[in-house]
Amino acid sequence: DTGVSQDPRHKITKRGQNVTFRCDPISEHNRLYWYRQTLGQGPEFLTYFQNEAQLEKSRLLSDRFSAERPKGSFSTLEIQRTEQGDSAMYLCASSSTEGGETQYFGPGTRLLVL
Amino acid sequence: AQKITQTQPGMFVQEKEAVTLDCTYDTSDQSYGLFWYKQPSSGEMIFLIYQGSYDEQNATEGRYSLNFQKARKSANLVISASQLGDSAMYFCAMREDYTGGFKTIFGAGTRLFVKA
Repeated sequence: DTGVSQDPRHKITKRGQNVTFRCDPISEHNRLYWYRQTLGQGPEFLTYFQNEAQLEKSRLLSDRFSAERPKGSFSTLEIQRTEQGDSAMYLCASSSTEGGETQYFGPGTRLLVL
Repeated sequence: AQKITQTQPGMFVQEKEAVTLDCTYDTSDQSYGLFWYKQPSSGEMIFLIYQGSYDEQNATEGRYSLNFQKARKSANLVISASQLGDSAMYFCAMREDYTGGFKTIFGAGTRLFVKA
């Protein structure tokens, strides 16, 4: 069990650019979640997948955001035309329906939009 | 309305003493789960403890215990014998089940400072 990994750990981009983040969940976990966390706040739910199906999307996920989990393993989160308000920590977590649904988090990707 | 309320933005505790971090929640569901996570300055969220709504006994994990009072809708975290490494942000979270899936909601967190 290597835990949840995320790449990159840090990303600095200019406003208007597109960025893509990757999350590799714990291998036997069938559920994968994306959260956004701004300074001084708790994580806010963005979306979650069960296997390759995206089952829930928050209203926070504007049409500039898209997430995929094509083969039910790793997931990507893309932000198009980034804005300064997108600056945040993006956290990925995974869980197993057979493991009590405890979510295990990755180290996060810290995004700074200049 | 806030679903998870953590009323203590910051808490201080002397090393080796116990501390209680408060969490109240709001739900009309019968089936839900409550979690506590620790977030050190490195940013990673570390799972500490879980309590299911149907669990009759309070959850314990080493130095962590969850004081679950269902009628009061509270799920306070108790850390015994505090250590300097316990200094971090602590988040209470609730999993709400609904048809087709579930959602996890986090509180705003409590920053714990452990004094030597």
